[in-house]
This record gives sequence, C-alpha cells and structure tokens, in this order.
Amino acid sequence: KAGVTQTPRYLIKTRGQQVTLSCSPISGHRSVSWYQQTPGQGLQFLFEYFSETQRNKGNFPGRFSGRQFSNSRSEMNVSTLELGDSALYLCASSLNPGQGAREQYFGPGTRLTVT
Amino acid sequence: AQKVTQAQTEISVVEKEDVTLDCVYETRDTTYYLFWYKQPPSGELVFLIRRNSFDEQNEISGRYSWNFQKSTSSFNFTITASQVVDSAVYFCALSEAEDDKIIFGKGTRLHILP
Repeated sequence: KAGVTQTPRYLIKTRGQQVTLSCSPISGHRSVSWYQQTPGQGLQFLFEYFSETQRNKGNFPGRFSGRQFSNSRSEMNVSTLELGDSALYLCASSLNPGQGAREQYFGPGTRLTVT
Repeated sequence: AQKVTQAQTEISVVEKEDVTLDCVYETRDTTYYLFWYKQPPSGELVFLIRRNSFDEQNEISGRYSWNFQKSTSSFNFTITASQVVDSAVYFCALSEAEDDKIIFGKGTRLHILP
C-alpha cells in the first residue's frame, strides 16, 4: 500500500507570493491533517479535513487555508507569504476522524523556503 | 490546556549505551493518547508507539521500551544498547479522545556516537 504522498517536496517562493501544497492520503483514508514544523515553534497543528469539510483548526492566521476533494486528496494554501512561513509542512492521513489520532500516518513533507 | 514538555533538547551518548528520553504531559481530559515519533534527517515522522490513558502497562519492543506513569504525568522512552541508526529527533506527543489534533513536544535530538 502506498504511503502518504506530498508534492512538491521542495519549494522556494518570494515574500508576498502564494503557494499551494498537495497531499494524497493512503488509499482508503478519509481524514487528512496538516502540520507546520519550524525550528522556533516546533510541530504545530494547522487543520484537519474530513468529507471535504474542515473538522478542526489550529491557531494560524487566515492566510493559511485548506480544502479536501471528494477523493480525499487535500491541498493547503498560504497567501501573502512571509519569511516566517518557511517551514516543513507535514500532512498526515487516517482512516476516520475522531479516534485520537489513531492510525495516523505522516507523509515526507514539503519544505517551503520563503525569500 | 494541553502541553507536552521534553526537557532534554539534545543528548549525546556513545554507541551501546542505554539512553532515556523524558516526556511530561499536561491535559485535563481523562481519556487521552500519548505518542512517540522518530524524525530522522530525511524529515519524515516515523510512528513508534501510541498509548491510551487507561493502559499504564510498560511496553517493550526490541531495544525500545516505554514507561508510562500517570501519577507523574510522564511517558518516558528508553533505548537499550543504542546504535548509530538511532540518531534522530524524537518527539513525544498527546491527543485527546475525540480529537485528531496531535500536540507535540519540542523534541529531543539524540546523537549516538560510534
């Protein structure tokens, strides 16, 4: 069974631009969560999607948004990029939500650099 | 409020030594889950263990063992006879019963020296 895939793996953007990251969950998994990892703040929860609906949201500004498609693939978007958005963005998928992160598998991440 | 504290930022040990990574958590819930993840230089988070709050039994998996003590809100991780391949950042984490949001500690960077 293929794992969680994230594209692109690396990305360089300029301050003020916007970016879209993609996540394909494990086949059959319907819940997708996103995390941001920075040296200063560590790993922080961004949001979770299930059935094309945002189920849970972390404490991030509105510049961070996401969506989920009917095939469970998810995208996250960051608008008006700031230098502080440089981070590793990790996606995790699980079979169903509401189970205390049971069977949650992480992808390899997208490393975003904002210059 | 939920919180996970890993007081050890960085640890270095010589290969074959035993090493324990500390983790202290805070939560108001009675039902919660505790995790340990490994993050090698490649960046991918590798799941090691998930424990629910009602199961305080210690667990051993090969060279890895975990000690869960509710009385001290700790969930410590021990690597026995460490190997160079164990070098990585290790994260302790917490989630609550109905929630899939994982709260991570800041991580402990472990160096195993040959």
